[in-house]
Amino acid sequence: GAGVSQTPSNKVTEKGKYVELRCDPISGHTALYWYRQSLGQGPEFLIYFQGTGAADDSGLPNDRFFAVRPEGSVSTLKIQRTERGDSAVYLCASSLNGQGSYNEQFFGPGTRLTVL
Amino acid sequence: SQQGEEDPQALSIQEGENATMNCSYKTSINNLQWYRQNSGRGLVHLILIRSNEREKHSGRLRVTLDTSKKSSSLLITASRAADTASYFCATDALDLDMRFGAGTRLTVKP
Repeated sequence: GAGVSQTPSNKVTEKGKYVELRCDPISGHTALYWYRQSLGQGPEFLIYFQGTGAADDSGLPNDRFFAVRPEGSVSTLKIQRTERGDSAVYLCASSLNGQGSYNEQFFGPGTRLTVL
Repeated sequence: SQQGEEDPQALSIQEGENATMNCSYKTSINNLQWYRQNSGRGLVHLILIRSNEREKHSGRLRVTLDTSKKSSSLLITASRAADTASYFCATDALDLDMRFGAGTRLTVKP
């Protein structure tokens, strides 16, 4: 079956621009997660959705970052007024159930964002 | 913020040797998981150990968990060149979603 997919695989943008990153989770997975990974670091938690709602957005670094999952499947991570420090690989993961239960997360290949 | 810290940061061994990586964490956890990441690719789940378990095996992998010391170890036996990757531990707790450490970069020389 299809795994988690993310588009685009690479995104180059200029400082100050707006970007959207898309994640298609595994069908039937209720939980969806966004992480950010800088070079040489582990994934940094950003936000977790259970169904359509953001159950935990404590990892979003500031109000320039926003994510939605309107129908409980596909999710979009939105970054406004991008800064060079936003450059990283953005990873999406999904799991069958969410927090508090067996929680193997399946990761997508990531979107490499470069802000010039 | 990151919860787990892997040790060492980098490890280089010869094919056939065993590789041991350690992970320490700060708060009480429900589960601890180990993931592998090949260069430039997504993370692959290796093994999950629950807080009430002390040891778990999966193929050439052996994971231990010591909740009193808030630490875990991942042992890869009879390593292969294909095991070259970064290895991350990730913990989740009752009110906290999964947090990853900075990883151990393992190089297995043929």
